[in-house]
Order: sequence, then structure tokens, then C-alpha cells
Amino acid sequence: DTGVSQNPRHKITKRGQNVTFRCDPISEHNRLYWYRQTLGQGPEFLTYFQNEAQLEKSRLLSDRFSAERPKGSFSTLEIQRTEQGDSAMYLCASSPKGGQFDPGVSNEQFFGPGTRLTVL
Amino acid sequence: AQSVTQPDIHITVSEGASLELRCNYSYGATPYLFWYVQSPGQGLQLLLKYFSGDTLVQGIKGFEAEFKRSQSSFNLRKPSVHWSDAAEYFCAVALTDKLIFGTGTRLQVFP
Repeated sequence: DTGVSQNPRHKITKRGQNVTFRCDPISEHNRLYWYRQTLGQGPEFLTYFQNEAQLEKSRLLSDRFSAERPKGSFSTLEIQRTEQGDSAMYLCASSPKGGQFDPGVSNEQFFGPGTRLTVL
Repeated sequence: AQSVTQPDIHITVSEGASLELRCNYSYGATPYLFWYVQSPGQGLQLLLKYFSGDTLVQGIKGFEAEFKRSQSSFNLRKPSVHWSDAAEYFCAVALTDKLIFGTGTRLQVFP
């Protein structure tokens, strides 16, 4: 299977602990996105990378959140000092688009299965 | 601000019946629109997309959607629903390099 993979699929942690999630995009996709989805809501954009460069961060991404994509392949999302409000599904997506937003180019994003975080 | 509205939180249909899921968007320029489906424990799967051209778009699994600029709508349709279509459906608009999603419509299918 060459789709987007995420690990772990589930994570239960206690409030105040740090957690780290990993996303492996589709091979050769140079765009990688992180979204957060809470119960009853649609996914909300957190941040995205073009290769190893982090190009945009949502205001939802507080200073307790940090994302990296050190070699332009897999990415990690770390949450420090977790809070109960961080409980959510964290989705990763990748896209083959390479340059700036171009109306003529597909912006299709391929999603992974997500990591469900529960903070007790 | 750009936004997507899915007015129906929950829809129930009988297997074999037709389906229409509503989506309205607010976007200043020509929108790039998507419908995704999410089954329990699964990631989002793209059903179809609209970028330009023919306003009636065909997707996978027998779904289609029609873009109506005058109504700012992009409703999803299927002529005959199967029990396996039970899932959560999300409409989304592309805002530069990210997707803005609606809150979703949960579809329940009765035999």
C-alpha cells in the first residue's frame, strides 16, 4: 500500500505529557499537511510543508505544538504539555503539487487514517 | 471570510433511494470544490472535485455533484444509495494551499 500512513493510530496520554505523531506521505509528494478534527466537526487546517519548509501555520497551532519535516519526507507533530482540549483526530495529507498555488494545477490532497489522541 | 456550510447534520435514507447532500460555500473567486467521504476509523477519501469547465462532475462510487455559481452551491447526489454508502460526508473548498471543510453530514442507510 503506497498511501499516506500515520503512527500511532491511537494514543492515550495523561494531561501534561508530551506526545509525538508521525506521518509518512505518498512517495514523491512534496506537500504535506496536518489537520485536526474534533467530534462533530470537519477537519481544520493546522500547518503544511513544501518539502522541508514549513510554509504556513494556523493560529490553532499554539506554541505547545511543533511540526517538522526534516528531510522533506516524513513529518512529525509534537504536542507538549498536553491538555484535555487537545483530544482530537490528527490527520495528515500529502499532495503532489510542487509550486505556488496555481489555478491550473490540481490541489487534491490524499489523507492518511489519522491518529486519535485522548488526553485524560 | 471563506467558509463552507453543510446545512444537514444527519440524513437518513432507505437503501435504493436517491440522495442529495447540500453544500454552500462563501468564496470570492472561482472556487475549487471537493467532496470527501469518511467511514468510521478511516481517513478521508476523495469522491470528486470541481476546478472548472463542466459544472456537473462525476466521481467515484456513482456519485456526482453540480456546481451552481448563482446559488454558491455544490450539492452531492447519488441516484440509488447502497448500505455501504453510510458514512460522514464533507464538502471542502481550497483556499490557496489548504482545504476549508464543512462540518459534515452523517448519512445513515436503512435496509
